[in-house]
Amino acid sequence: QKEVEQNSGPLSVPEGAIASLNCTYSDRGSQSFFWYRQYSGKSPELIMFIYSNGDKEDGRFTAQLNKASQYVSLLIRDSQPSDSATYLCAVDTGNQFYFGTGTSLTVIP
Amino acid sequence: ETGVTQTPRHLVMGMTNKKSLKCEQHLGHNAMYWYKQSAKKPLELMFVYSLEERVENNSVPSRFSPECPNSSHLFLHLHTLQPEDSALYLCASSHFTGPSTDTQYFGPGTRLTVL
Repeated sequence: QKEVEQNSGPLSVPEGAIASLNCTYSDRGSQSFFWYRQYSGKSPELIMFIYSNGDKEDGRFTAQLNKASQYVSLLIRDSQPSDSATYLCAVDTGNQFYFGTGTSLTVIP
Repeated sequence: ETGVTQTPRHLVMGMTNKKSLKCEQHLGHNAMYWYKQSAKKPLELMFVYSLEERVENNSVPSRFSPECPNSSHLFLHLHTLQPEDSALYLCASSHFTGPSTDTQYFGPGTRLTVL
């Protein structure tokens, strides 16, 4: 079983819609959860991190964490073409950082 | 310069060459990392240095050799690589490793091609 799993996509949404990206993890003791955005040919850049159960909002982005279900998601409201990228979920188990394979998002104008 | 920098940005080398990748962080962090990113695969952690001490990663072939002379600089020495080693090599830094791991910030990466 992989430590972090994401649907590879591609996920396509129309401009202005809500994009929902999902991630599950296997280590129940995981403590911190991160979402990175990676444009093609570029390095990952941090969007958000979350430590506690519930929602955390930052502008158009909302991270949701459910530790009981071992599930973390990222919602992007009012999606823009510039949001088209690969989104990487990362989990800190306390011993190591694990990344998912990423979900490719395309926002269609 | 700010953030995490890496040089060179692109590198093409033959299987018999020896080359080195360099990473420098200007964030005052005390942990540095090397990752390998291949197509369709998750980021693979290769090496971790915390306070200039190396955390072993036994799954990395010995043709990759890291060096961390101080908390701001990290090198990856390459020798007798294989074509399957062609990938994007990313350096990252953070404040801690272990239970208090803070967010990792990435450099721009070195695109390596092994002929």
